[in-house]
Amino acid sequence: GAGVSQTPSNKVTEKGKYVELRCDPISGHTALYWYRQSLGQGPEFLIYFQGTGAADDSGLPNDRFFAVRPEGSVSTLKIQRTERGDSAVYLCASAIGAGGLGDTQYFGPGTRLTVL
Amino acid sequence: RKEVEQDPGPFNVPEGATVAFNCTYSNSASQSFFWYRQDCRKEPKLLMSVYSSGNEDGRFTAQLNRASQYISLLIRDSKLSDSATYLCASHGSSASKIIFGSGTRLSIRP
Repeated sequence: GAGVSQTPSNKVTEKGKYVELRCDPISGHTALYWYRQSLGQGPEFLIYFQGTGAADDSGLPNDRFFAVRPEGSVSTLKIQRTERGDSAVYLCASAIGAGGLGDTQYFGPGTRLTVL
Repeated sequence: RKEVEQDPGPFNVPEGATVAFNCTYSNSASQSFFWYRQDCRKEPKLLMSVYSSGNEDGRFTAQLNRASQYISLLIRDSKLSDSATYLCASHGSSASKIIFGSGTRLSIRP
């Protein structure tokens, strides 16, 4: 079946602009995660949704970052007043969310954000 | 100190060699662990999950040592196609965030 998809694949913006990054999880997956990966680093957790609600947003770096998942499927990560340090690959992952040790997270291809 | 730490490498080994990576974790409450493979400019893909003492899948063996809080990945008879970055990760609870290490780069030479 279809995997996790993310759009756009690349986004170039100017410092101070607003951007939205979209994630379509695997159908039926209730858990959705956003991560950010900088060059030479592993993915860094940002936020986790269980259904429509943000169950853990402890990884959001500051209040310029916000994410929504209004219908429990597609999620949008929103970044206000972008800074050059926000440049990274933003990865989305989804999981069945049923609990238990077998709840594997499947990653999308990512959105490469460049802030000039 | 990072919660999950790995040797960044790079490891450069000849085809057919056996290579091992270690990864240490600091959260003793972590229940499950993972090795992900990430190719250049691609997303991480799950290679192996480790819940108890270890797991084996073909040429790949992962071992967990809870007393010393480390996870290892052994690759036997390495192939050119094994060249990638290998990410170690830990999971606090079944549906919680994954904490990744910085990755170990592996390059297999002919």
